[in-house]
Amino acid sequence: NAGVTQTPKFQVLKTGQSMTLQCAQDMNHEYMSWYRQDPGMGLRLIHYSVGAGITDQGEVPNGYNVSRSTTEDFPLRLLSAAPSQTSVYFCASSPRTRARGEQFFGPGTRLTVL
Amino acid sequence: AQKITQTQPGMFVQEKEAVTLDCTYDTSDQSYGLFWYKQPSSGEMIFLIYQGSYDEQNATEGRYSLNFQKARKSANLVISASQLGDSAMYFCAMREGPPRFYFGTGTSLTVIP
Repeated sequence: NAGVTQTPKFQVLKTGQSMTLQCAQDMNHEYMSWYRQDPGMGLRLIHYSVGAGITDQGEVPNGYNVSRSTTEDFPLRLLSAAPSQTSVYFCASSPRTRARGEQFFGPGTRLTVL
Repeated sequence: AQKITQTQPGMFVQEKEAVTLDCTYDTSDQSYGLFWYKQPSSGEMIFLIYQGSYDEQNATEGRYSLNFQKARKSANLVISASQLGDSAMYFCAMREGPPRFYFGTGTSLTVIP
């Protein structure tokens, strides 16, 4: 199993450009989430999904869109990049369970917006 | 209000000593989960330990144990016999009403030889 994969690993954008961060998991997990990590602020939830076709906003959703057409994939779209979106982005997945159900994380995408 | 509070931005510990990383949480749910993750300088997020809100025993995983005090809403991570490889950021997280997870701001642990 590859677990959670993210592409690209690094990206530099100019202000106003758009792009899509890809995330895929092969563990058949129902739940998937996108976080951004900024120094001193921990991980903040951007959007999450409880299954194909169902998404919801997290703590910092502005400037980002998501969709989930399959169980495996959960792309994050930046509509018009801004310097404030410079961050490290993590995708995570977890199973539907009330037991342990920890999140499995991808390796992250380091995004710089100039 | 913050869902997860980690009040120690940085901690130092001597190799082979034990260290406690603090975490308090805020929830009105009866069913929730508490997690600790490690993030080394390479950047990946590594799951360490889990405690369910209904678990009566403190969780243990090798050198990691979770000191769960439900009434005080605290979930401190104890690392015994620290090793140089334990130097990393440590994040406390809570799962409330699946699947939302909330993370603290982290504690940077440095193990001194």
